[in-house]
Amino acid sequence: EVQLVESGGGLVQPGRSLRLSCTASGFTFGDYSVTWVRQAPGKGLEWVGFIRSKTYGGTAEYAASVKGRFTISRDDSKSIAYLQLNSLRTEDTAVYYCTRTRLQLDYWGQGTLVTVSS
Amino acid sequence: EIVLTQSPGTLSLSPGERATLSCRASQSVSSNYLAWYQQKPGQAPRLLIYGASSRATGIPDRFSGSGSGTDFTLTISRLEPEDFAVYYCQQYGSSPRTFGQGTNLEIK
Repeated sequence: EVQLVESGGGLVQPGRSLRLSCTASGFTFGDYSVTWVRQAPGKGLEWVGFIRSKTYGGTAEYAASVKGRFTISRDDSKSIAYLQLNSLRTEDTAVYYCTRTRLQLDYWGQGTLVTVSS
Repeated sequence: EIVLTQSPGTLSLSPGERATLSCRASQSVSSNYLAWYQQKPGQAPRLLIYGASSRATGIPDRFSGSGSGTDFTLTISRLEPEDFAVYYCQQYGSSPRTFGQGTNLEIK
């Protein structure tokens, strides 16, 4: 069974950093890209960025709203993807989902809540 | 950046009726790389349709997708009580990948 479990969310002050993890199981993690999507309270879905599989270069792309502040990485030996959030702002408050990605986002984790507040 | 506009914002229908949801792109979606997701309250989204018209694994055949270029449609042929949810379209043909703002399908 494909599973994705996010962790690392919590309450953080503006300007600080946080690292989210996405632990995968039930499939060959290294064969897939991983996308992060966020959802602010009561709002719609926002694409944050994704990291390609090593087969496709392992490179990452980001939304303009997070580029230069967020970094996506992966450790295929542990089947974990990471989202490093730096210079956090109050508008980054959201549930963060990781997704298994072929091209479409075919499996989603349950999400982890990040609250940025002083 | 491709902007996706979904309409209507809210759709009020009864079980058994047919639902038609629209997603319009500001420019042509490459290779018709357009997906639809369903999200129920308190849950993660679920993939319904990819490649504009292919059903994801386990999705009932009352869900169908159509369209190409800039105009796409999700149709639910006969609404079941569990279909009332928010629906999002997403394009993955170019970066940044973008989502529509969602259509809230509510019980009339």
